[in-house]
Amino acid sequence: IAGITQAPTSQILAAGRRMTLRCTQDMRHNAMYWYRQDLGLGLRLIHYSNTAGTTGKGEVPDGYSVSRANTDDFPLTLASAVPSQTSVYFCASSTTSGSGNEQFFGPGTRLTVL
Amino acid sequence: GQNIDQPTEMTATEGAIVQINCTYQTSGFNGLFWYQQHAGEAPTFLSYNVLDGLEEKGRFSSFLSRSKGYSYLLLKELQMKDSASYLCAAMDSNYQLIWGAGTKLIIKP
Repeated sequence: IAGITQAPTSQILAAGRRMTLRCTQDMRHNAMYWYRQDLGLGLRLIHYSNTAGTTGKGEVPDGYSVSRANTDDFPLTLASAVPSQTSVYFCASSTTSGSGNEQFFGPGTRLTVL
Repeated sequence: GQNIDQPTEMTATEGAIVQINCTYQTSGFNGLFWYQQHAGEAPTFLSYNVLDGLEEKGRFSSFLSRSKGYSYLLLKELQMKDSASYLCAAMDSNYQLIWGAGTKLIIKP
């Protein structure tokens, strides 16, 4: 593994189903983030984690949950998917959450909820 | 509220220079980032400014004026591969990035 990986690459999901998007990084970064990107809107932060064992809510957390059991993995779970959660989801990481630290992005997961 | 404004789309000619502007309003400020995003791909880091002035990095330069809440990305000697979206993001007092919707840059031969 080099950098950040996400799985699956794309997914079509029926409304009401549970779904977990996976994110793994091998850079030993402390901070990790989940964003969604929708046409015409900027990236919006869903949840973040400044270090293993801690998580925080971003701008649009409703309907999503995360966990950070270790440094490398940061899964995002949709408990009961709705069509408004159709989006491209990006996972990102940075050395720390402080000023000036660039975020490195995974390749994204394209999710369609029908 | 927090807000980032940048043009939706710009067109430029191969070999020319283009300037993409960004204005921001955030609760606190810990720097301004520019990212490049090709269609269907992830954003990749271009530049970071936290002090006023111009930072030059090869064909790309980024400028910041904190007093005006303004930044621009300058791309010189445009190449076809520069066709992409350019994302402006300001880091707020909680060290979270507030993102603009991106500027789609179209390069014509």
